[in-house]
Amino acid sequence: EAGVTQFPSHSVIEKGQTVTLRCDPISGHDNLYWYRRVMGKEIKFLLHFVKESKQDESGMPNNRFLAERTGGTYSTLKVQPAELEDSGVYFCASSPAADTQYFGPGTRLTVL
Amino acid sequence: AQSVSQHNHHVILSEAASLELGCNYSYGGTVNLFWYVQYPGQHLQLLLKYFSGDPLVKGIKGFEAEFIKSKFSFNLRKPSVQWSDTAEYFCAVKRWGGYNKLIFGAGTRLAVHP
Repeated sequence: EAGVTQFPSHSVIEKGQTVTLRCDPISGHDNLYWYRRVMGKEIKFLLHFVKESKQDESGMPNNRFLAERTGGTYSTLKVQPAELEDSGVYFCASSPAADTQYFGPGTRLTVL
Repeated sequence: AQSVSQHNHHVILSEAASLELGCNYSYGGTVNLFWYVQYPGQHLQLLLKYFSGDPLVKGIKGFEAEFIKSKFSFNLRKPSVQWSDTAEYFCAVKRWGGYNKLIFGAGTRLAVHP
């Protein structure tokens, strides 16, 4: 069974540019989550999809972040425009129900 | 706000030493508890979890954790560490009943020297 995959693995952009991160969950997992870890701090929740619907987006930092999950399969997280403080590792996770979340390898985003 | 505290940010041990990593959480209701591990260059993996039942939970690679409700703690233990246990360990909590998000501690970096 393939795990959660994320693309790209690394992204370096300049302040003010746009970046789109992609997450492909484990096949059949209705629940998809985005988390972020900034500069060695704790991993923080961003949002949770159930299929294509946003179940909880309480962790989204501001309106520069837009997450979508059209069709209830893969998800994208767009940052526009990127700021320096957006640098960090963005993790995606999926789960079949309210159970164990399986994490992807993360995307390391560097904003210069 | 709910929080998770991991008391040790960096731990250095020699092989065969015993390990205990502390984890405390602040939420007073029913919780599910997790320990995840991230080995160098790899993704986060589940070590073990507690949902209900026996508060002593056994996980992969010889790890175990004990849930002590009265102390709001879920400490991770291993009687004898190996060099391959070098990794970062994360404690996480999920509130029971409609809240799926995980609240993570800051992580503990473990270095095991041969």
